[in-house]
Amino acid sequence: DAGITQSPRHKVTETGTPVTLRCHQTENHRYMYWYRQDPGHGLRLIHYSYGVKDTDKGEVSDGYSVSRSKTEDFLLTLESATSSQTSVYFCAISEIEETQYFGPGTRLLVL
Amino acid sequence: AQSVSQHNHHVILSEAASLELGCNYSYGGTVNLFWYVQYPGQHLQLLLKYFSGDPLVKGIKGFEAEFIKSKFSFNLRKPSVQWSDTAEYFCAAAGSGGYQKVTFGTGTKLQVIP
Repeated sequence: DAGITQSPRHKVTETGTPVTLRCHQTENHRYMYWYRQDPGHGLRLIHYSYGVKDTDKGEVSDGYSVSRSKTEDFLLTLESATSSQTSVYFCAISEIEETQYFGPGTRLLVL
Repeated sequence: AQSVSQHNHHVILSEAASLELGCNYSYGGTVNLFWYVQYPGQHLQLLLKYFSGDPLVKGIKGFEAEFIKSKFSFNLRKPSVQWSDTAEYFCAAAGSGGYQKVTFGTGTKLQVIP
């Protein structure tokens, strides 16, 4: 398995609170991604990064922000969590040939 | 718009049965194709991929997929499934040449009955 860790692995929070999820890689891959996985929707891209401080929006970016200050870390922030953001969040990494390797996931429950 | 369709949402098979999961894509230009597997409670793992060359691609655990350009399809096959193949399977596609976003299908849940 690619060297990708996510933290926390599980989180329960309340509506309106800020939440930050962390993705850490040891592969020195250029690209990093955040997806959410929901039943019936598969994986949907939230944000991605193509280098340090270089990020762009995916298809479901509303309510989420990201930051990448180091090659190895990609942070996903929910500024004010809502119940619709209850999901499983996966980080992925890749190089230019687009084969993505996924982290173990974070289960987030927003009450 | 780029899209990936998996028409079978839930498939139930007995052990030793043959498997074929459908995947159709809609992409302009040259495309790279992937199948990922997600075992219960785990993350997605790459099963196989097609970038170019032989359209019949062999992956891990006895899986294979065939790229048929004229049908915009990349179906996944396995001649004889095992109970341990119970998982969700995702087809994905990306344009080739430089970075392009990967689009995932909605997944097919496979349940193999012993």
